Amino acid sequence: NAGVTQTPKFQVLKTGQSMTLQCAQDMNHEYMSWYRQDPGMGLRLIHYSVGAGITDQGEVPNGYNVSRSTTEDFPLRLLSAAPSQTSVYFCASNKWGVGYGYTFGSGTRLTVV
Amino acid sequence: KQEVTQIPAALSVPEGENLVLNCSFTDSAIYNLQWFRQDPGKGLTSLLLIQSSQREQTSGRLNASLDKSSGRSTLYIAASQPGDSATYLCAVGNSGGSNYKLTFGKGTLLTVNP
Repeated sequence: NAGVTQTPKFQVLKTGQSMTLQCAQDMNHEYMSWYRQDPGMGLRLIHYSVGAGITDQGEVPNGYNVSRSTTEDFPLRLLSAAPSQTSVYFCASNKWGVGYGYTFGSGTRLTVV
Repeated sequence: KQEVTQIPAALSVPEGENLVLNCSFTDSAIYNLQWFRQDPGKGLTSLLLIQSSQREQTSGRLNASLDKSSGRSTLYIAASQPGDSATYLCAVGNSGGSNYKLTFGKGTLLTVNP
């Protein structure tokens, strides 16, 4: 199994540009989520999904959109990038039930200039 | 709102020493607790998962304990090695009897000196 795959690994955007960060998992996990990691702030939840067609906001959702049309994919969209969105983004997935922990992707390092 | 605190923020030890990393959380209604390791510029690697009904979990030289009532967890690393140098993150899974959100501490940066 590939686990959680994120693309791209690195990206530089200009202020105001849009882009989509891709996330895919092949473990048939119900839960998927996006986190951002900033120095001194730790990892913070942006959006999450408990299944196909169901999404909800996390702690820092402003400026980001998500959708979940399939169990496998959970893309994160930046509609109009801002320098404050410079960060490292991690996608994670988890299976419902006792005994299951989260699996994280390798991250996308985004710089907005 | 759940808050997770990790102490110390940084720790430097000589090789071979046993050490303890601490994690505390404010809301004891957790589903589980997960310890991760993060190497510089890399993703998160899961080390240990403790369900809310468990007291501890062990994997090799690592042992994690959980005391839900006091809102604390510890990660014990035995006979530390330079390869253990990394940031260790504690994350609490909670909400509504399920585990679809994690709240993270800010991590402990561990350096093991040869």
